[in-house]
Amino acid sequence: DGGITQSPKYLFRKEGQNVTLSCEQNLNHDAMYWYRQDPGQGLRLIYYSQIVNDFQKGDIAEGYSVSREKKESFPLTVTSAQKNPTAFYLCASSIEAGRSYNEQFFGPGTRLTVL
Amino acid sequence: KQEVTQIPAALSVPEGENLVLNCSFTDSAIYNLQWFRQDPGKGLTSLLLIQSSQREQTSGRLNASLDKSSGRSTLYIAASQPGDSATYLCAVKSGNTPLVFGKGTRLSVIA
Repeated sequence: DGGITQSPKYLFRKEGQNVTLSCEQNLNHDAMYWYRQDPGQGLRLIYYSQIVNDFQKGDIAEGYSVSREKKESFPLTVTSAQKNPTAFYLCASSIEAGRSYNEQFFGPGTRLTVL
Repeated sequence: KQEVTQIPAALSVPEGENLVLNCSFTDSAIYNLQWFRQDPGKGLTSLLLIQSSQREQTSGRLNASLDKSSGRSTLYIAASQPGDSATYLCAVKSGNTPLVFGKGTRLSVIA
């Protein structure tokens, strides 16, 4: 089955710990994205990558880091510098990030809770 | 900066009713607009994508229209069912920036 997988589904973190959220896609998409969703605030873009070994900050990149070493993988690290990391994290991909046809597809999400 | 608004934030209708969800955007220079569905605790499911050159797209009981000049899109759901209960989000693509999302409309269809 083609699609986007995220793991784990639920993640618990102690304060001061870094954690890494996994996102993998087998759609052969060039562009990948990370969003954070909080109740009442909609989706906010954290980072996105248009091509391997390249990525750009979104609206709320502080306290997060990413890498794009492989086309199919775009892991997100939530660092201890992120002051309020408890949220639902969504990964997405599209064929390209450019202006033409770019239907975006989403993974099932990871719910991160800080204890 | 592009802004996307969805009104109302929540909507409750009886089963069988036809309904319209609204999406407005501030910059009409868009490339496309996408409608998504999100069930509680789940990811987003793409419903329809309308390119800027198109006026509407249809999929089953769903019909999305786009009026780029007025900065509006509507999602029409015919003969609503309890299984349609979810949050519906619209998002627009303009310039070289990623999608800009509205906050969604939470729909409840009552049996």
